[in-house]
Amino acid sequence: GQQVMQIPQYQHVQEGEDFTTYCNSSTTLSNIQWYKQRPGGHPVFLIQLVKSGEVKKQKRLTFQFGEAKKNSSLHITATQTTDVGTYFCAGPGTNAGKSTFGDGTTLTVKP
Amino acid sequence: EAQVTQNPRYLITVTGKKLTVTCSQNMNHEYMSWYRQDPGLGLRQIYYSMNVEVTDKGDVPEGYKVSRKEKRNFPLILESPSPNQTSLYFCASSEGPAGEQQYFGPGTRLTVT
Repeated sequence: GQQVMQIPQYQHVQEGEDFTTYCNSSTTLSNIQWYKQRPGGHPVFLIQLVKSGEVKKQKRLTFQFGEAKKNSSLHITATQTTDVGTYFCAGPGTNAGKSTFGDGTTLTVKP
Repeated sequence: EAQVTQNPRYLITVTGKKLTVTCSQNMNHEYMSWYRQDPGLGLRQIYYSMNVEVTDKGDVPEGYKVSRKEKRNFPLILESPSPNQTSLYFCASSEGPAGEQQYFGPGTRLTVT
């Protein structure tokens, strides 16, 4: 079945450093979503990418969707302590309603 | 306020004692899902529903049942819980198929002893 892999599993950075997490799918995706889960919280939707090669920005966050629509990345510039949490990518499955999440990248930020 | 609610938030139970975790959304969403979250394994979809009376298996459906008798509710049923079902469970809803934005509930932490 479809697999979505994320690396790295953990990332520890000093406040102000940049951070990137990568997502790779075993199959071509019609779209990809990114979610953030704060410690003790629930996943919250950040963004959806649909087009091949698409790049979207949200303040310090930059999201990219690969040309082949099989990979994606999330880059955070100049991390802040508020960026702490686990970032997940997710792709739709072959059946409507089916969804596959990556294992997530947990970011810790040292002040 | 648009939200997904789950109850209970925390539950400790014993092996074999049937339990139900409720999920309700007030956004009139067609699609609802249940996920379990385990350390290092991310979110794994248990079951999903595309509308009333329409449900299908996700990636890890064994040991779980669901029903969708009303659009707003999507309970998760564990007929005979076992310790390997100890996990953090999330309900989610979306307006469209899984490619659409999903709204997650606050989670239910279940411990089966």
